[in-house]
Amino acid sequence: KAGVTQTPRYLIKTRGQQVTLSCSPISGHRSVSWYQQTPGQGLQFLFEYFSETQRNKGNFPGRFSGRQFSNSRSEMNVSTLELGDSALYLCASSLNLDRPYQYEQYFGPGTRLTVT
Amino acid sequence: QKEVEQNSGPLSVPEGAIASLNCTYSDRGSQSFFWYRQYSGKSPELIMFIYSNGDKEDGRFTAQLNKASQYVSLLIRDSQPSDSATYLCAVKNSGYSTLTFGKGTMLLVSP
Repeated sequence: KAGVTQTPRYLIKTRGQQVTLSCSPISGHRSVSWYQQTPGQGLQFLFEYFSETQRNKGNFPGRFSGRQFSNSRSEMNVSTLELGDSALYLCASSLNLDRPYQYEQYFGPGTRLTVT
Repeated sequence: QKEVEQNSGPLSVPEGAIASLNCTYSDRGSQSFFWYRQYSGKSPELIMFIYSNGDKEDGRFTAQLNKASQYVSLLIRDSQPSDSATYLCAVKNSGYSTLTFGKGTMLLVSP
């Protein structure tokens, strides 16, 4: 079974621009979560989508947004890029059948965003 | 604020030794616990998950959970240089479908 895929893998943008990142989950997985990883802050939760609905959101400004399509593919958008947005953006998918105590997440390879 | 704490390391062990990685969490209602391995420049890879108090073994890896002490650990037996990586502890937040991650412990296994 194919794993989680993310595109593009690398991206260089300038301040003020916007960017859209894409994530395709493992086949059959309905939940997609996005994280930002930086050396200083570690993995920080951005948002989670399930069945096209944003179910949870982390403490990020409104410049960060996302959506999920009917095929469970997800995109995240960052508008008005700042230097501090340079990071590895990771997408993770989960089966999430609401079984108690289970929520294994599987990560994609990530998109390395550099803002100059 | 739900927190997951890990010693940043590096934890240095010789090849063949047992590496012990520890994690504490603040959300007493948490029920699901995960260990991820992340090599430099790569994304996290799920290596173990545990839901019940006690030990869970998978090959050279053993996860240990003590909910009363809010403590999770990962033991790696017969450590190999290829185990050198950062190990992330993650906890499912009670009442939510989200995970909170620790900042990770760097493990260095020397030949």
